[in-house]
This record gives sequence, structure tokens and C-alpha cells, in this order.
Amino acid sequence: GAGVSQSPSNKVTEKGKDVELRCDPISGHTALYWYRQSLGQGLEFLIYFQGNSAPDKSGLPSDRFSAERTGGSVSTLTIQRTQQEDSAVYLCASSPEQGPTYEQYFGPGTRLTVT
Amino acid sequence: AQKVTQAQTEISVVEKEDVTLDCVYETRDTTYYLFWYKQPPSGELVFLIRRNSFDEQNEISGRYSWNFQKSTSSFNFTITASQVVDSAVYFCALSIFGGSQGNLIFGKGTKLSVKP
Repeated sequence: GAGVSQSPSNKVTEKGKDVELRCDPISGHTALYWYRQSLGQGLEFLIYFQGNSAPDKSGLPSDRFSAERTGGSVSTLTIQRTQQEDSAVYLCASSPEQGPTYEQYFGPGTRLTVT
Repeated sequence: AQKVTQAQTEISVVEKEDVTLDCVYETRDTTYYLFWYKQPPSGELVFLIRRNSFDEQNEISGRYSWNFQKSTSSFNFTITASQVVDSAVYFCALSIFGGSQGNLIFGKGTKLSVKP
């Protein structure tokens, strides 16, 4: 079956521009997670959704970052006024339900480069 | 606070050697889950194993085996008779109930290079 997909696979943007990153989870998966992978910080958790709700946004690095999920499916991570330190690979994962008892299935990631 | 430490940044072995990747975790929770993921050069994280804190039985899957020891807070991963295709970055991760339920707390990863 189809796995988690993310688009675009690569995004180059100028400092100060806004970007939107998209994640399509596995059909039927209610939980969706965003992570960021960068050289300096490793893999960091950003935010998760159970259905369309994001109960905890404390992992987002700054108020320039926001995320939403609609229809219990597609999620968009938006970064406003991008900075060079936002350059990283943004990974999305989904799981059948929220909670640590379920493995997370990861997408291929979006490589964001801010110039 | 929760933390996962993978002290080995890079390991290089020759094909057919056995190799063990170390993982040490910290948590005050009594119920938690531990994971290993593989990230090959293609970049996509691949799930390998999940183990809950109440199950200390070692597990073997083909050439892969995992040794979970609560006494030392370790969850080590051994590849027997390594192959070139095992070359990847391997991540150990911890997940707990509460907080951002289910989010994975990753170690920094160990890059394994298997040379022919």
C-alpha cells in the first residue's frame, strides 16, 4: 500500500520568504508527527496531530512555525520569514493511533535550504 | 527529562564482521517503549523494532538481534555477519506516555559503514 508521502522533496528558498511543506499520511492513520533533522541538532520532534487537533505545540522552534491538519489526513507545516537556521530535512510520520505503543512510518522528507 | 545517547558516532567494519551499536536511555517513567530505526543513504527512516519496558527478552530477527537491559538502561543492537547493504545511520529512540504522546526522542545516530 501507499506509504507516507511528502512534497516537495526539495525546496530552496530565499531568506525571509514563507514556505509550505506537505505531508500525506498513510490512509486511516489518525496520528501524524513532524520532525526536523539537521546536522547540529539531530532528529527533533516538532508537533503531532491526533485527528485534526494538535494538543502540544511546544516543540515548534519559534512562532514562525505553524502546522495544520485537515480532514484527519493531509498536514501542512508552514515556516514564515525563513531563516538560514531553518535549513534542514523535515520529516513527517504517521501511525494508526497516537501513543508510544505504535510504530511510526516515516515519509522521505523535504529538504529545505534557505539561502 | 528523557534522553537517548548513542555514544558511537561512526563505526566502520569489513563485511562479515559482527557489529554492536550501543544505546543508553534515560527516563523516570516506568512504562516506555524503545525503538531502532535505520536510515539508509536514500534518507527514509525504516522501522526495525519496538520493545516495551516490561519485556526484557532478547529478540533475534535474522542477522539482527537486540539486547535490552533495564539494569543498565541499555538497548543494544547487534548485526551478525554484516553486509554492505547494512551501511546506514541507525537511530535508537525512546517514547513515553504523557506529554506529546508517542513522539520519539532520538539519539544522535550511529553511522555504520560496511566495506566489502
